[in-house]
Amino acid sequence: EDQVTQSPEALRLQEGESSSLNCSYTVSGLRGLFWYRQDPGKGPEFLFTLYSAGEEKEKERLKATLTKKESFLHITAPKPEDSATYLCAVETDSNYQLIWGAGTKLIIKP
Amino acid sequence: GAGVSQSPSNKVTEKGKDVELRCDPISGHTALYWYRQRLGQGLEFLIYFQGNSAPDKSGLPSDRFSAERTGESVSTLTIQRTQQEDSAVYLCASSLWGTGVAEAFFGQGTRLTVV
Repeated sequence: EDQVTQSPEALRLQEGESSSLNCSYTVSGLRGLFWYRQDPGKGPEFLFTLYSAGEEKEKERLKATLTKKESFLHITAPKPEDSATYLCAVETDSNYQLIWGAGTKLIIKP
Repeated sequence: GAGVSQSPSNKVTEKGKDVELRCDPISGHTALYWYRQRLGQGLEFLIYFQGNSAPDKSGLPSDRFSAERTGESVSTLTIQRTQQEDSAVYLCASSLWGTGVAEAFFGQGTRLTVV
């Protein structure tokens, strides 16, 4: 069964303390992996799409990477405004509907 | 409008009542999705519309759930005889491409509470 698992469920960091969020997947043929940011009371906001192992995308303090089993969202020197829930989703060859992870709630303390 | 708009933002209803949720997609977006997000869980696909094609209803959890969309405009999600387990945030998203990899743009959601 296609599955997406995110870890940790929650992560508390001090401002400036770099870390990584993990999204591991077991799917039958990956077409694309998506990262989204979701603020409280809002819908997910698209961040990145990754298509193949070895690919990397960057945006400000965020960098997403992809292997054949997992994706990492690296956050460098985070600021309090980076606090949000980060969601990962995949699209597969057999199912164009996105399969979503439960998210990682990131809290950056000043 | 500039983004996907959903209404109402919040809805509290009594168990057994019917509710109707509305989604206004981004103009020109042919694809429209409805998702359910329960607290602490990932998004759960409900239904997908692509232009005038027959919708993909494979995610609807029961026959109490239905959705309509006329052409590429507004969509409504209706839940009949609501149950407490229907309490969740209902998210709508639209995109330029129906199938294939695409960037979906989400509305702010409707938080439904069934009491």
